[in-house]
Amino acid sequence: EVQLLESGGDLVQPGGSLRLSCAASGFTFSTYAMTWVRQPPGKGLEWVSVISGSSDNTYYADSVQGRFTISRDNSKNTLYLQMNSLRADDTAIYYCARNLYGGSLHNWGQGTLVTVSS
Amino acid sequence: DIVMTQSPDSLAVSLGERATINCKSSQSVLYSSNNKNQLAWYQKKPGQPPKLLIYWASTRESGVPDRFSGSGSGTDFTLTISSLQAEDVAVYYCQQYFSTPRTFGQGTKLEIK
Repeated sequence: EVQLLESGGDLVQPGGSLRLSCAASGFTFSTYAMTWVRQPPGKGLEWVSVISGSSDNTYYADSVQGRFTISRDNSKNTLYLQMNSLRADDTAIYYCARNLYGGSLHNWGQGTLVTVSS
Repeated sequence: DIVMTQSPDSLAVSLGERATINCKSSQSVLYSSNNKNQLAWYQKKPGQPPKLLIYWASTRESGVPDRFSGSGSGTDFTLTISSLQAEDVAVYYCQQYFSTPRTFGQGTKLEIK
C-alpha cells in the first residue's frame, strides 16, 4: 500500500525558514516524480513544486520561486521542501503527492500545517 | 502559465440527479506525442487530502465509482456525476499537467439541493 506521511509543519515568524519532509513507502520511490501542493485556509489548491525521480529536473510556482527548494533522498525514501523567507501568504496545509502518467497526482499524504505569523 | 477556469463556482443538485462541472484551459492541454489530454479531476472534502477521480481527461482512477466520468478535449472539459450521492458533497478541482506550473482551477463547490 502506498503511504505518504508529511511532517515538519509549524508556526514560524515572517522571514523565517522551515523544512517539510514527506516519508514514502509502499512503492519504488526513486522511479516516481513527486509534487508539493498547498491549500491556504479557506482557499483552493495551489501547485507548488515538482521533482523528477532522479532529481534532475525541478520546477516551481512563480509564488515560491527563489524562496523554496524541493529535493529528495532516494536512499531514505523521503521528499523535502525547504522554505525560506516565509510570508503570511505561505500559510497553508502542505501536501506531498506521487505523480503518475506524466503528472496526475494519484496518491496524497494527509498534509502538514504551516502557519506564518508573528 | 496555463489558466484553468471552472464553472460554476458552486452547484446545488438533488440526490439522484446529474451534476456537471466544466473546466476550460487557456491553451490546449492535448499532448501530441500520445494524443492524451493532460487533465485531471480531484475531489476535496474538509479535513481530507484531495482524491484523484479522473486522469487523461476521461480515465477513471481505480476504485472510483462509475457514476463519475470525464470528457472533453483540447481546452474544454467536463466532470459529470450521473446520480448524485450524499457522499459526493465536496469541492472539485481540475488540474492541467501539460506544462509547468501545473495549475489548478479555482474549484467548484457541490452541495445537495
